[in-house]
Amino acid sequence: SAVISQKPSRDICQRGTSLTIQCQVDSQVTMMFWYRQQPGQSLTLIATANQGSEATYESGFVIDKFPISRPNLTFSTLTVSNMSPEDSSIYLCSVAVRDTHSGELFFGEGSRLTVL
Amino acid sequence: SQQGEEDPQALSIQEGENATMNCSYKTSINNLQWYRQNSGRGLVHLILIRSNEREKHSGRLRVTLDTSKKSSSLLITASRAADTASYFCATDNSGNTPLVFGKGTRLSVIA
Repeated sequence: SAVISQKPSRDICQRGTSLTIQCQVDSQVTMMFWYRQQPGQSLTLIATANQGSEATYESGFVIDKFPISRPNLTFSTLTVSNMSPEDSSIYLCSVAVRDTHSGELFFGEGSRLTVL
Repeated sequence: SQQGEEDPQALSIQEGENATMNCSYKTSINNLQWYRQNSGRGLVHLILIRSNEREKHSGRLRVTLDTSKKSSSLLITASRAADTASYFCATDNSGNTPLVFGKGTRLSVIA
């Protein structure tokens, strides 16, 4: 298993600003992911955070809008840049303890962003 | 990408009753997983069923998988108020691509 700490847990942001979300895992993991959950919706994968290289983004998400850092195997950050009200969502960090996409995922508690 | 579709979208039952949620998907899978999310918080993994399995149990949870119909069901027996949450199915297509989550079922268990 893995214990994941995310912060901030929630924030209210002004349009046009940027916010960085941190994700800390209690053990070294290879597979780390960032998801977005818009109000009342399911989870959408933003990107896979790769240690030592650029993140792998899913269709519809770009590095300029959602820059991701992964300096080591226990930590990652997601920045939501130039925010607009449409970015109001819960952002979730998750990890797979096995080096495969096939196993279960462990999630942080999420960061609830409200953009005014 | 294939996305699981849960049915119903919302379900309200009395404490002690059983709750059944269904998930349908479109293409072949390696495994299917069920997760629970309490009110806007992180997801918690409940159970994983592989494509060659038909039924799996974990405590009060029973999951079935019918690959011929591309569907799965999650049964929660003797429900409790603490079971109130959203339940999501997630499919693993190939092992090399990330899980794809369905839209979820919102379960309300009334004491």
